[in-house]
Amino acid sequence: EVQLLESGGGLVQPGGSLRLSCAASGFTFSNHAMRWARQAPGKGLEWVSAIGVGGSTYYRDSVKGRFIISRDNSKNMVFLQMNSLRAEDTAVYYCAKVTSNFVAFEYWGQGTLVTVSS
Amino acid sequence: EIVLTQSPATLSLSPGERATLSCRASQSVSSSLAWYQQKPGQAPRLLISDASSRATGIPARFSGSGSGTDFTLTISSLEPEDFAVYYCQQRTNWPITFGQGTRLEIK
Repeated sequence: EVQLLESGGGLVQPGGSLRLSCAASGFTFSNHAMRWARQAPGKGLEWVSAIGVGGSTYYRDSVKGRFIISRDNSKNMVFLQMNSLRAEDTAVYYCAKVTSNFVAFEYWGQGTLVTVSS
Repeated sequence: EIVLTQSPATLSLSPGERATLSCRASQSVSSSLAWYQQKPGQAPRLLISDASSRATGIPARFSGSGSGTDFTLTISSLEPEDFAVYYCQQRTNWPITFGQGTRLEIK
């Protein structure tokens, strides 16, 4: 059974940093791309970042230069380092396993809430 | 950026009825389109990938169709647990984008 468990969310002041972690199990982690998505309170889904099997990384424009995605295949984990946080980054952050053909978010974690507020 | 427009915003139907949800892309996404279901307080769940392929464990009453710019998610006979918000998503071009969602509510 595929399981994804996010952690690291919380309350942070504007300009602060957080590091989200996602622990994966139930599949061969090193063979799959991984993504982060987010959902602001009461709003729709928004893709944030992705990392390929070989370590290639992708970001939405609004987080480029502030967020860094990484993975540790030895620990079956993916991370999202979030710096210079803004109020508009407030959301539930989900990690997801990507389908083998890279189209869909195949399995999602339960999410972790990040609140950016003074 | 490819914009996905879902319609209607809200769909009010009764259990047993047929639901038809639409997703239109601002440019062709070929068949690189997925559909998700999200219930309150839960993570999204993948229903359909590649426009028409049901994900593992998804009931046969869910079906997807379309290619290019126009896509449809059909629920053939609504069950009580199907009332939720549905999103489409494309992966043809970066950035990956989602539609704004269709809320399927009980009439």
